[in-house]
Amino acid sequence: DTAVSQTPKYLVTQMGNDKSIKCEQNLGHDTMYWYKQDSKKFLKIMFSYNNKELIINETVPNRFSPKSPDKAHLNLHINSLELGDSAVYFCASSQEWQGLNEQFFGPGTRLTVL
Amino acid sequence: QQQVKQSPQSLIVQKGGISIINCAYENTAFDYFPWYQQFPGKGPALLIAIRPDVSEKKEGRFTISFNKSAKQFSLHIMDSQPGDSATYFCAASWTYNQGGKLIFGQGTELSVKP
Repeated sequence: DTAVSQTPKYLVTQMGNDKSIKCEQNLGHDTMYWYKQDSKKFLKIMFSYNNKELIINETVPNRFSPKSPDKAHLNLHINSLELGDSAVYFCASSQEWQGLNEQFFGPGTRLTVL
Repeated sequence: QQQVKQSPQSLIVQKGGISIINCAYENTAFDYFPWYQQFPGKGPALLIAIRPDVSEKKEGRFTISFNKSAKQFSLHIMDSQPGDSATYFCAASWTYNQGGKLIFGQGTELSVKP
């Protein structure tokens, strides 16, 4: 059973397009995250949601809009894609955001903007 | 203040040797320090974690050493194996603030030669 799943695994698109990445966790966790890993493998938090509510927006451009229809899903929609958006995007989840909670990462979505 | 600095960037170790990766932080409000392991094409996975009230934590061949006064911590991999070849990330976080976000180091690419 996959704990945290993401679709698609690869996404190749043109500059200016709009795209979405979906994330689902079957761990019963309350908190979900989006991280961006750049070409140098540096991982940076983008958003954190707890029970469908946004709790962190790490100064991400407005073109990125996360949506959590329920606490098991956290999708990421990106408008007007730019070359600099090319990266691997990881979804993660944890039991809750407070306390010593392990974050479980999905397999990642490699986004390439041409 | 929120940075975590990790070194070395890459490391080559012979099978059976000891791998040592170092991290340093500035923000004394951090109170949770996990290490994540990432294999190519996969998401990061928690390896071992420590809190600053403990100076050392060992799990199998993996040990974290923590020096609170120096604001440094390190991962030691004893009897390194080719299967340990991966990218290792140290991280820092707050257990009751900042929405659970992890601040990652830059990563260390470990290669264990047979």
